[in-house]
Amino acid sequence: DGGITQSPKYLFRKEGQNVTLSCEQNLNHDAMYWYRQDPGQGLRLIYYSQIVNDFQKGDIAEGYSVSREKKESFPLTVTSAQKNPTAFYLCASSIWDRESVQYFGPGTRLTVT
Amino acid sequence: AQTVTQSQPEMSVQEAETVTLSCTYDTSESDYYLFWYKQPPSRQMILVIRQEAYKQQNATENRFSVNFQKAAKSFSLKISDSQLGDAAMYFCASPWVNMYSGGGADGLTFGKGTHLIIQP
Repeated sequence: DGGITQSPKYLFRKEGQNVTLSCEQNLNHDAMYWYRQDPGQGLRLIYYSQIVNDFQKGDIAEGYSVSREKKESFPLTVTSAQKNPTAFYLCASSIWDRESVQYFGPGTRLTVT
Repeated sequence: AQTVTQSQPEMSVQEAETVTLSCTYDTSESDYYLFWYKQPPSRQMILVIRQEAYKQQNATENRFSVNFQKAAKSFSLKISDSQLGDAAMYFCASPWVNMYSGGGADGLTFGKGTHLIIQP
């Protein structure tokens, strides 16, 4: 089965701790993306990566970090510097072309208390 | 900055009837695609339909069709013969096209969504 996996589905952390969200794809897509979704809001872009070993900040990158060491993996770290980390996080991937249809993983719900 | 506006936070329709969800966008690009995504209670984002801005013909996927008005920057989604399984949040999205790197998308700008309720 080709697709995007995110783990875990639910994640709980104490304030002040860093936490890493996993995203893996086996679609052979070049580009990968991280979005954040808050209640009543659309998705907002955190980071994206066009190719391995390269990534760019999106609209709301502060308090987050990423790496792209392998084509199929794009983990997101939510650091203690992120002021409001509780949210639903979605990972997506796409072929890098003008159509750029993005396919999404099932998401991770992060709760920080 | 790109903006995508969905002016209907919630819509309700009777099963088997037709409903139209509105979306307007603002982009300076001349060559782009527009998308409608569906997010059911499972929260999985599912692509519903895409429209290429250069095509005059409105896109259609089974019961889903768009009314694309390029000059007005309007991209509405029409759902015919509504079914209970259509109940979901619907998001309109426009890509940030990276013209310096092969025309791929640096990301999508999403509207805030429309919550569609299907009345049995």
